[in-house]
Amino acid sequence: SAVISQKPSRDICQRGTSLTIQCQVDSQVTMMFWYRQQPGQSLTLIATANQGSEATYESGFVIDKFPISRPNLTFSTLTVSNMSPEDSSIYLCSGGSGWGMNTEAFFGQGTRLTVV
Amino acid sequence: ELKVEQNPLFLSMQEGKNYTIYCNYSTTSDRLYWYRQDPGKSLESLFVLLSNGAVKQEGRLMASLDTKARLSTLHITAAVHDLSATYFCAVEPSGTYKYIFGTGTRLKVLA
Repeated sequence: SAVISQKPSRDICQRGTSLTIQCQVDSQVTMMFWYRQQPGQSLTLIATANQGSEATYESGFVIDKFPISRPNLTFSTLTVSNMSPEDSSIYLCSGGSGWGMNTEAFFGQGTRLTVV
Repeated sequence: ELKVEQNPLFLSMQEGKNYTIYCNYSTTSDRLYWYRQDPGKSLESLFVLLSNGAVKQEGRLMASLDTKARLSTLHITAAVHDLSATYFCAVEPSGTYKYIFGTGTRLKVLA
């Protein structure tokens, strides 16, 4: 199983600023994803981070607000741009590789963001 | 659009009682996952269900999957306080690793 580390684990940011969250996997993974969990809510998929190309965003999420990079098979970043209090959430990355009966995606510990 | 619904959303139960959480989804999928989340923490993987009729048990929790009915259940037997948490099911459209999460069930076990 892969171990996924996220940095920072938490942050408090001023509105109007941007924060970049890093996601590091300890082994190469084919797929990487970013999720958002707003307070008291479920997890919502933001986008698929594609290695070497633009991310694929889900409905309701746009690149200008959540630019994503994935320079290689073990690392990705998510930037939350021009933040407002509504962006206060937990952001999680996940990764998965291969395909078979016992494969599953793995999740980082999350980044708790508070925008004031 | 794939939708994943859980019920109940909130569950308060006495220790020693049994209860079932339901997870319904709206499209074909044969891969379903159950997670536990404690307040302020990330997700803890509980069960991976990869085929129709799959049943898995761990301690007081048992999960099952009926892909024809598009239904998974998480059964709690003789609940204890330590099971208090939020439980999520997640459905994976085949081969994508993209998880669509259910609404979550917040469980509180009363001593």
